[in-house]
Amino acid sequence: DVQLVQSGAEVKKPGESLRISCQGSGNSISNYWIAWVRQKSGRGLEWMGIVYPGDSDTRYNPSFQGQITISADKSINTAYLQWNNLKASDTAIYYCATPRTQLLWFGEAFGYWGQGTVVTVSS
Amino acid sequence: QSALAQPASVSGSPGQSITISCTGTSNDIGRYETVAWYQQHPDKAPKLIIYDVRYRPSGVSHRFSGSKSDNTASLTISGLQPEDEADYFCASYVRSNNLLFGGGTKLIVL
Repeated sequence: DVQLVQSGAEVKKPGESLRISCQGSGNSISNYWIAWVRQKSGRGLEWMGIVYPGDSDTRYNPSFQGQITISADKSINTAYLQWNNLKASDTAIYYCATPRTQLLWFGEAFGYWGQGTVVTVSS
Repeated sequence: QSALAQPASVSGSPGQSITISCTGTSNDIGRYETVAWYQQHPDKAPKLIIYDVRYRPSGVSHRFSGSKSDNTASLTISGLQPEDEADYFCASYVRSNNLLFGGGTKLIVL
């Protein structure tokens, strides 16, 4: 099985930078893509993008392109989600998740999820 | 791209069956056999309950079933139980290498 552990809650001011993390562990974790999913106001989910830690191949939802940076460190099986200019509208819970299947992402459902990171942006 | 369309809420009594719809377009649900359904209890991470339209991951109750017709996918829960009360989200891949979720449906077990 795969386990995903995310970094803790953050409180930031508008305009500040932030990087949150998601560390994977478990069987063949290095073969999994890791995605980021946003959930605002406790309802809708939005896929932000996905990264393959093995070679840092990254894909973005066009709605988030240019607003965030997704990266990874394969040596520690960790994916990151970064903002350089936070806005109040970035306030949300951010989940990382991996597809059910190793090595693939497009077409795959997310079988493993992190516990979520609450990000609050307020002046 | 807009989110997939789901009813805001559905309700049913214990033992009954309910169906949640998820409507997309010919570029997402209509194009791919990749519809997934997720269950989310309050303050918990989503949990995969259906993948590839109709398949259940190991450990998910047989009371959950999925189907698809044209641009609409459906999740049916039979023999409703109190613990089924949760939010349910559908998801489908999109032609443009993107993934869309539905807006979510709150299931109320009366």
